[in-house]
Amino acid sequence: EIVLTQSPATLSLSPGERATLSCRASQSVSSFLGWYQQKPGQAPRLLISDASNRATGIPARFSGSGSGTDFTLTISGLEPEDCAVYYCQQRSNWPFTFGPGTKVEIK
Amino acid sequence: EVQLVESGGGLVQPGRSLRLSCAASGFTFDDYAMHWVRQAPGKGLEWVSGITWNSGAIHYADSVEGRFTISRDNARNSLYLQMSSLRAEDMALYYCVKDENSILTGYYDSWGQGTLVTVSS
Repeated sequence: EIVLTQSPATLSLSPGERATLSCRASQSVSSFLGWYQQKPGQAPRLLISDASNRATGIPARFSGSGSGTDFTLTISGLEPEDCAVYYCQQRSNWPFTFGPGTKVEIK
Repeated sequence: EVQLVESGGGLVQPGRSLRLSCAASGFTFDDYAMHWVRQAPGKGLEWVSGITWNSGAIHYADSVEGRFTISRDNARNSLYLQMSSLRAEDMALYYCVKDENSILTGYYDSWGQGTLVTVSS
């Protein structure tokens, strides 16, 4: 099973700042990595698929990069509504697995 | 608008069974693979099981293999999860999730609001 590690566990930033979230895989997942956002009390929402493809309706301030074992989700210009937990997920190998999440707090 | 409405959760004793259902609308159900993903209280996400559009391929997480059975009824636009031999660690909010594709691509583009399964004596 591929294990995903996310860092930092918590990120506290002010509105307008850039957030950089990291996801590392225990073995290569090529570009088969996605990112999800889960706001408090809500179901998750797909942000990014295949490392860098924004899902439908996702604002341009969300971007993804990386391949192999190291990936990054960048939120350029944080807004208050970006307060959430962000999960990475790999679909390279069964079982598809999620990372433990990074909580983004807005100061 | 895609809607996924789960039902069937509740309080169940360890070792007993429960059947979850998901009613889908707003899209052509039999064009897409479907999944169940769960989230224990205060914890992260865990993929549980997935099924292709025609039930031709099914996968399970190791943690539920042999105890849970996923199925679908395309005529009823419904997805199911039969859970047996339930354990305390199965307690979670269970989400019905739509895949981006008819096969199990593994990206989940629509989620229900979840149904809570509580396992306790």
